[in-house]
Amino acid sequence: NAGVTQTPKFRILKIGQSMTLQCTQDMNHNYMYWYRQDPGMGLKLIYYSVGAGITDKGEVPNGYNVSRSTTEDFPLRLELAAPSQTSVYFCASMGVEGGKNIQYFGAGTRLSVL
Amino acid sequence: LAKTTQPISMDSYEGQEVNITCSHNNIATNDYITWYQQFPSQGPRFIIQGYKTKVTNEVASLFIPADRKSSTLSLPRVSLSDTAVYYCLVGGDDYKLSFGAGTTVTVRA
Repeated sequence: NAGVTQTPKFRILKIGQSMTLQCTQDMNHNYMYWYRQDPGMGLKLIYYSVGAGITDKGEVPNGYNVSRSTTEDFPLRLELAAPSQTSVYFCASMGVEGGKNIQYFGAGTRLSVL
Repeated sequence: LAKTTQPISMDSYEGQEVNITCSHNNIATNDYITWYQQFPSQGPRFIIQGYKTKVTNEVASLFIPADRKSSTLSLPRVSLSDTAVYYCLVGGDDYKLSFGAGTTVTVRA
């Protein structure tokens, strides 16, 4: 199993450009999450989804959009990149194992906006 | 969302037991408590989860008092490779899971 796969691993954007961070999981999990992590800080929840077609805002949704057309994919869209969006972005999916709700994380996408 | 509070950092030495306490005063009835470990440049990794009393697995123990307003992650006999950031999360039926600032644990030889 590949688990949670994020692409790209690195990206440099210019201010005002747009891009989509891809996230796909092969564990058939209903729950998926996008977080951002600034240097030396904890993870902040951007958006999450409890199933295909259902998304909801997290703590820091401004400047981002998501969609969930399939169980497997949960892309994150940046429409007008700003320097404040320079961060590491982690995608996660959550499933139940042994009666526990466990999040599995991708390797992250490092984004710089210059 | 139940807010969590953890110490910012802790230092330890190899072979010692490390105990990290997380405060979650407004935990809801259906909320469970989960701990994750994060190494630099990696995503967090699940350590342990519990609802009440004590939970133990092959890497850690989780102690939850009866009022559930706090929880303590116990790492027995730590090694240098346990140096990481540890996060306490409280979550329930809404599945809106937020991480706090975490506790940076540094293990020295």
